[in-house]
Amino acid sequence: DIQMTQSPASLSASVGDRVIITCRAGQTISTYLYWYQQKPGKAPNLLIYAASFLQSGVPSRFSGSGAGTDFTLTISSLQPEDFATYYCQQSYTPPFTFGQGTRLE
Amino acid sequence: QGQLVESGGGVVQAGTSLRLSCAASGFSFSDYAIHWVRQAPGKGLEWVTMIWYDGINKDYADSVKGRFTISRDNSKNTLSLQMNNLRAEDTAVYYCAKDRGRRRLPQNAFDLWGQGTMVTVSS
Repeated sequence: DIQMTQSPASLSASVGDRVIITCRAGQTISTYLYWYQQKPGKAPNLLIYAASFLQSGVPSRFSGSGAGTDFTLTISSLQPEDFATYYCQQSYTPPFTFGQGTRLE
Repeated sequence: QGQLVESGGGVVQAGTSLRLSCAASGFSFSDYAIHWVRQAPGKGLEWVTMIWYDGINKDYADSVKGRFTISRDNSKNTLSLQMNNLRAEDTAVYYCAKDRGRRRLPQNAFDLWGQGTMVTVSS
């Protein structure tokens, strides 16, 4: 299985901050990397597909980058509705593993 | 955009069975692979299984292989997950999720999720 490791596990930030979350894959996965946002009691929501492409309807303050084993999710200016948990996920090979999550508070 | 609605969750004893369902609407169900993803209480996300658009190809996480069976009925726009020999570690919210890719090009990522159904396995 491909292990996905996110850092940090939790992050304290304020409205207006620039936030960067990193995700490292245990082996190269090209750009088969996706980012999700999950709020308490809700299903996850896809933010970024293929490492750097913004899913339709997602605000442009979210961006993704990276390839191979190292990836980042950036929120350029944190908004109140962005406080949530973020997950990366690899789709390179099954099982399609997720990172452990980064809680933004 | 579409909607997925799960049902069938509940509290069961270890070693017993449960069948989850997922009803799809608002998109061309038969064009997309569908996945089950679960989340144990207070934990992260775990991919469980997937079925291709035509119901032929399936894949399972090792943790459920041989115990869970995924199936679909494209005539009724429904997905099922038969869970046998349940264990305490299967306790989780189970989400069905639509694949972002289409037909023979699944992306194995999820752009539409249901609200989830809770499965509790007591030992």
